[in-house]
Amino acid sequence: ETGVTQTPRHLVMGMTNKKSLKCEQHLGHNAMYWYKQSAKKPLELMFVYSLEERVENNSVPSRFSPECPNSSHLFLHLHTLQPEDSALYLCASSQVIGSGANVLTFGAGSRLTVL
Amino acid sequence: GQNIDQPTEMTATEGAIVQINCTYQTSGFNGLFWYQQHAGEAPTFLSYNVLDGLEEKGRFSSFLSRSKGYSYLLLKELQMKDSASYLCAGIDSNYQLIWGAGTKLIIKP
Repeated sequence: ETGVTQTPRHLVMGMTNKKSLKCEQHLGHNAMYWYKQSAKKPLELMFVYSLEERVENNSVPSRFSPECPNSSHLFLHLHTLQPEDSALYLCASSQVIGSGANVLTFGAGSRLTVL
Repeated sequence: GQNIDQPTEMTATEGAIVQINCTYQTSGFNGLFWYQQHAGEAPTFLSYNVLDGLEEKGRFSSFLSRSKGYSYLLLKELQMKDSASYLCAGIDSNYQLIWGAGTKLIIKP
């Protein structure tokens, strides 16, 4: 496996279900990100982990819960979601060296549909 | 507020040239990225500009004018595989990425 891998690629869940999205990066990067991508809207940054510590949480509802057990793995735990949470969830990683612009490497995303 | 504007959709012909524009308003500026995203796939890095001018990479070039808050992505000798969405992202003074909604490029034979 190379790059950033996301599973599952597609997920359909009811509003009362609990599910998790998984992301794995094989690049040796030290930062990982969750983004939400909705049709015709800009990417929305949800969470950032740098050196396995959460450094950003952009007012994301508590029904989304991230977990970063190590620098290669990132999870997004989902519970009691709403239909408006249906979107493509993209994971990304980067190598952060001090401050500066970091090129993100994205996974192909998990397409979530909430019924 | 911070904002990135780019056209929603563009159509071009195979073999032709197309220019995708992006205007930005950010609190401070530390550069601009272009990414390409094919349907159902991951966005992939195309270019990074922080200085004024044109940067060329094969058939793709990216231009930046800091004084005008403006960038464009130029695609030459268009191929069918260039059909994709092109995402513009500005970097503000805190090195946060401000994303545009993307431009869907349709290439016709």
